[in-house]
Amino acid sequence: GQNIDQPTEMTATEGAIVQINCTYQTSGFNGLFWYQQHAGEAPTFLSYNVLDGLEEKGRFSSFLSRSKGYSYLLLKELQMKDSASYLCAVTFYNYGQNFVFGPGTRLSVLP
Amino acid sequence: EPEVTQTPSHQVTQMGQEVILRCVPISNHLYFYWYRQILGQKVEFLVSFYNNEISEKSEIFDDQFSVERPDGSNFTLKIRSTKLEDSAMYFCASSTNLGNTIYFGEGSWLTVV
Repeated sequence: GQNIDQPTEMTATEGAIVQINCTYQTSGFNGLFWYQQHAGEAPTFLSYNVLDGLEEKGRFSSFLSRSKGYSYLLLKELQMKDSASYLCAVTFYNYGQNFVFGPGTRLSVLP
Repeated sequence: EPEVTQTPSHQVTQMGQEVILRCVPISNHLYFYWYRQILGQKVEFLVSFYNNEISEKSEIFDDQFSVERPDGSNFTLKIRSTKLEDSAMYFCASSTNLGNTIYFGEGSWLTVV
């Protein structure tokens, strides 16, 4: 099956920078998405990478290396409201291009 | 901003009962999905739907599950005979095309007792 790995939990301080990593199997890779999910709420779209490199979107940036099966989400100038789970999701050609979600990384931002 | 809407937000049902969860996808989207998330676990794909038929389904989506688009706007998930392990948040989602960004509804929290 398609395995996607992320660290389970991370802690960072308000105003700091945090990097959340995601690794996946490369076979059949189509695209990679990052979603934010606050407890009890729906996932909301943050970013999308299909080519190698960095995509920047305000305080959030996402990086992809297709050959290494690796992505990270970079959050700058952390705010308390950034405390949430961050979900890495990958689409694979050999899975009908449907989204396969990683386990999510629960980020706690401390004052 | 257009959004996916789901009803009910929360339903409690007895084991063995049928449940129908309803969704209205974003109007110009062509692909519709159901995902579920058991409390504390990851989001899991159930089924995708395009052009009035199922395009892909996971091993979770067994004979107890069915989907339907009964009219031009609603997209429903039916669980025929609920089990305790069906307790989860069920998310409907839609996208303009396969592989494009999917947008989630707020979810329907199902509790089977």
